[in-house]
Amino acid sequence: IAGITQAPTSQILAAGRRMTLRCTQDMRHNAMYWYRQDLGLGLRLIHYSNTAGTTGKGEVPDGYSVSRANTDDFPLTLASAVPSQTSVYFCASSDSAGNRQYFGPGTRLTVT
Amino acid sequence: DQQVKQNSPSLSVQEGRISILNCDYTNSMFDYFLWYKKYPAEGPTFLISISSIKDKNEDGRFTVFLNKSAKHLSLHIVPSQPGDSAVYFCAAHGSSNTGKLIFGQGTTLQVKP
Repeated sequence: IAGITQAPTSQILAAGRRMTLRCTQDMRHNAMYWYRQDLGLGLRLIHYSNTAGTTGKGEVPDGYSVSRANTDDFPLTLASAVPSQTSVYFCASSDSAGNRQYFGPGTRLTVT
Repeated sequence: DQQVKQNSPSLSVQEGRISILNCDYTNSMFDYFLWYKKYPAEGPTFLISISSIKDKNEDGRFTVFLNKSAKHLSLHIVPSQPGDSAVYFCAAHGSSNTGKLIFGQGTTLQVKP
């Protein structure tokens, strides 16, 4: 059982470039989430999706977009990356909104 | 504005002793609290949770205490083991924002052999 997979594991990206972080879960969870982790700030919610076809904004959504075309996949797109988006990004899922969340291994992104 | 605060960035304890990690919150609408544990280069993993209708929840060596009047929760680990060395995050969500977890900054626990 893979759980949640994220790709890539790490990436160095030039400012202004477009980037999509991939997240796939095989647990048939309805809800999925994207967080960023920054030192001294903990994890902050970027976007979430309570069910396929719906998405919502979290605490820090600016500069990011998401889509939820099916249950398993929840990609996060940076349309034009900026250095302040340098962070570790975690995808998570839960069987329904409000239940415990399961996290992927993370993507370390550096924007130069 | 940090709604969930972990004011101690780090904690060091001796193996076998008790570890106490603290967390404060400001939003009285929060009704469910969780602790996550994170090892380097891995995603956070769920550890223990507590509903606001309880003041204590225990799971093996881990106990979470909730003091609603003080808006404070704590995680006790007894006895502490070197494998417990990790970053611990507390998180909260309220019924009006179900699914949206608000995390604290994290506390790095080091358990010395």
